Amino acid sequence: EIVLTQSPTTMAASPGEKVTITCRASSSVSYMYWYQQMSDASPKLWIYDTSKLASGVPDRFSGSGSGTSYSLTINTMEAEDAATYYCQQCCSTPLTFGSGTKLEIK
Amino acid sequence: QVQLQQSGAELAKPGSSVKISCKASGYTFTSYYISWIKQTTGQGLEYIGYINTGSGGTNYNEKFKGKATLTVDKSSSTAFMQLSSLTPDDSAVYYCARRSYYYDGYYHDWFAYWGQGTLVTVSS
Repeated sequence: EIVLTQSPTTMAASPGEKVTITCRASSSVSYMYWYQQMSDASPKLWIYDTSKLASGVPDRFSGSGSGTSYSLTINTMEAEDAATYYCQQCCSTPLTFGSGTKLEIK
Repeated sequence: QVQLQQSGAELAKPGSSVKISCKASGYTFTSYYISWIKQTTGQGLEYIGYINTGSGGTNYNEKFKGKATLTVDKSSSTAFMQLSSLTPDDSAVYYCARRSYYYDGYYHDWFAYWGQGTLVTVSS
């Protein structure tokens, strides 16, 4: 199965700071998907098809990447962005998720 | 709006079984597959499998074959997952999710909507 390695595992960012979370796949995938999970809530689709923002996601978020390397970027961190973010690969069964990046506000 | 409403928390004894439900609303139930995902602190998110809500056909992650059984009741727009021969390792939050999938020369496969989760605790 494809293993997804996210980095960093945890991080803290100040309001206004640029944040980048990476997801590396053990084999090439054609697309990556990202989910946001707040404490005690279900994951929410955040980015699909590598770079498309899900409905309601602020445009300070962006996604990019190809092959085995993908990233989620927040252009200017806001307090409401503090959450855990997971990547998910689409293309090889079983579908797999990264282990998550916990993003905190400084 | 699309909603997936899951059944409540379960406390089960080792060796027993539990059956979790996921009632869909706000869309045509048989137009989308339902997937199930396990979340634990230690293992993170693990994909269990999916059920074709129209035909009842299933596909399982090898890891969960023999552990999870997926079924569907079209008349009530409800999907079910039964977990059998429970051990403490099965203690987790289980989510149902509506699967979005298409192939255009490349696979696109993701979970656009999630239930609120069902906590299963296995303890004697």
